[in-house]
Amino acid sequence: EAQVTQNPRYLITVTGKKLTVTCSQNMNHEYMSWYRQDPGLGLRQIYYSMNVEVTDKGDVPEGYKVSRKEKRNFPLILESPSPNQTSLYFCASSLYRDSYEQYFGPGTRLTVT
Amino acid sequence: RKEVEQDPGPFNVPEGATVAFNCTYSNSASQSFFWYRQDCRKEPKLLMSVYSSGNEDGRFTAQLNRASQYISLLIRDSKLSDSATYLCVVNIKRGGQFYFGTGTSLTVIP
Repeated sequence: EAQVTQNPRYLITVTGKKLTVTCSQNMNHEYMSWYRQDPGLGLRQIYYSMNVEVTDKGDVPEGYKVSRKEKRNFPLILESPSPNQTSLYFCASSLYRDSYEQYFGPGTRLTVT
Repeated sequence: RKEVEQDPGPFNVPEGATVAFNCTYSNSASQSFFWYRQDCRKEPKLLMSVYSSGNEDGRFTAQLNRASQYISLLIRDSKLSDSATYLCVVNIKRGGQFYFGTGTSLTVIP
């Protein structure tokens, strides 16, 4: 089944404790992206990647890191999480060359206390 | 100024009604346009891409007005299953940055 998977789905952590949210897609998509969704603000793009080893900042990259060492994986790293990073995070991928239809993962609900 | 603006609603309409949503974008260099649907904080799913000539998919019609910088979504013969939040999405640089509207909430009432 074609899908985007994210882990963990739910995470409660404390300020300053490094964490990684994994994202994986099995559709051989070139483009991958991370978003956060907050009430009243909608989805905002954090980082995106056009292909392996190619990443770029979105609208709200501060406090986040990403890497794209393999085509299928695009982890989101929070080196020192803060309470203002409490949010619902979505990973997405698209074929890019032919389509910008983005397929989203199920979301990761992160709470930083 | 936000890149993409939508009326948040909520829109509460009876079954069978026709409802229209509008979305404005601020960057005239915007390249691609989409409507996504999101159910109850689940992941967004593509409803339709929006082409310059306008496009239709069953009960759904999307239109783009580049001169006025807005896109629209028309839903005819609303069903209960259409209840969701509809997100307007704009791509500024090809393959790169995407901007989402905050979404318009639709509830179809029996």
